[in-house]
Amino acid sequence: GAVVSQHPSWVICKSGTSVKIECRSLDFQATTMFWYRQFPKQSLMLMATSNEGSKATYEQGVEKDKFLINHASLTLSTLTVTSAHPEDSSFYICSARDPRHSYEQYFGPGTRLTVT
Amino acid sequence: GENVEQHPSTLSVQEGDSAVIKCTYSDSASNYFPWYKQELGKGPQLIIDIRSNVGEKKDQRIAVTLNKTAKHFSLHITETQPEDSAVYFCAARYGQNFVFGPGTRLSVLP
Repeated sequence: GAVVSQHPSWVICKSGTSVKIECRSLDFQATTMFWYRQFPKQSLMLMATSNEGSKATYEQGVEKDKFLINHASLTLSTLTVTSAHPEDSSFYICSARDPRHSYEQYFGPGTRLTVT
Repeated sequence: GENVEQHPSTLSVQEGDSAVIKCTYSDSASNYFPWYKQELGKGPQLIIDIRSNVGEKKDQRIAVTLNKTAKHFSLHITETQPEDSAVYFCAARYGQNFVFGPGTRLSVLP
């Protein structure tokens, strides 16, 4: 089946620094990838949609200058949290759409970000 | 835009009993409804899905039903096992995005 990986699985960083999270589709080419944020005991909230080779589309209320998304290849998308603050601490999950199965999204295992 | 509601928020059942989780959606244009299982500290895992041209789908102990007229769909788990304990999310496809329900925490008691 379609497999999506994320790296790192968890990261701790200091306030004011930047951290990059990678999302890879391992056995398919993903023309579209999605980034979600999930707070404890809450649902998944879509942050942005990224299409390979073009700028990401951000959801209302998501700061594009703070959450930089790059989808440079058909198998890799990155999310960079810039100038991180403690309130950015969350569980970040990516998903990818396999164009062979246009309806489904396959999720990565998530990245736990803690900003101290 | 699309809005998805999900009930109940928590559900406890005895091992071997059935569990039912219900979701409603608002936009009649939504045409795909997946269900995800999320274990603690992990990403969501697709367990079953249904498209709008189908009324019911079953995969072993798991089934999903869809009522397009009423705009609601349900997840049915039979013969529950302790390993079914997790948070379950329903979703509706809206455009190219998914809108998720708030989740149901299912506990299967041995």
